Amino acid sequence: SAVISQKPSRDICQRGTSLTIQCQVDSQVTMMFWYRQQPGQSLTLIATANQGSEATYESGFVIDKFPISRPNLTFSTLTVSNLSPEDSSIYLCSADSGVNEQFFGPGTRLTVL
Amino acid sequence: ILNVEQSPQSLHVQEGDSTNFTCSFPSSNFYALHWYRWETAKSPEALFVMTLNGDEKKKGRISATLNTKEGYSYLYIKGSQPEDSATYLCASDLRGAGKSTFGDGTTLTVKP
Repeated sequence: SAVISQKPSRDICQRGTSLTIQCQVDSQVTMMFWYRQQPGQSLTLIATANQGSEATYESGFVIDKFPISRPNLTFSTLTVSNLSPEDSSIYLCSADSGVNEQFFGPGTRLTVL
Repeated sequence: ILNVEQSPQSLHVQEGDSTNFTCSFPSSNFYALHWYRWETAKSPEALFVMTLNGDEKKKGRISATLNTKEGYSYLYIKGSQPEDSATYLCASDLRGAGKSTFGDGTTLTVKP
């Protein structure tokens, strides 16, 4: 199994600013993912973070709003840009173990005022 | 079924009760079905990954079954305890998709 940490665990941000969330895995993993859970909704995949290349975004999510970095096999960042109250969510990163199982970080709870 | 659907949305039971939830998922191009437990302020924890029709898996008091032909899975908790209180998520993987689609979850509250 992999242990995943995220920073920050929570934040309160002003409208129009940006927040960068860091995700650190304790072992090298091929696949890392970023999810969002808006209040009362399911976990929604934002993008797959690819090491050494641009992230692969799901329908409805764009790089300008959610830039992602993946500089190596253990680390990724997600930035949520130009924040609005609708971005208030829990953001989770996850890593694929390589045997069809995902491990999740503890999440970042974002509130946008 | 195009999306992953879970029912009920929430459930309140007394300690010692047994309970079950349902996950419905697309049966076409099925690859795997996952169950996770997500406690408040913690990481979602993988409970089961199931791939074969008729699969039954068990972990302590929790078990799950899978019917890939009709596209549903049941999660059972026997003798619920307060520490079982959490949101239970299921997620479906389609063949070749390389990603999971999650249901909205069932939030279980077990009262002492």
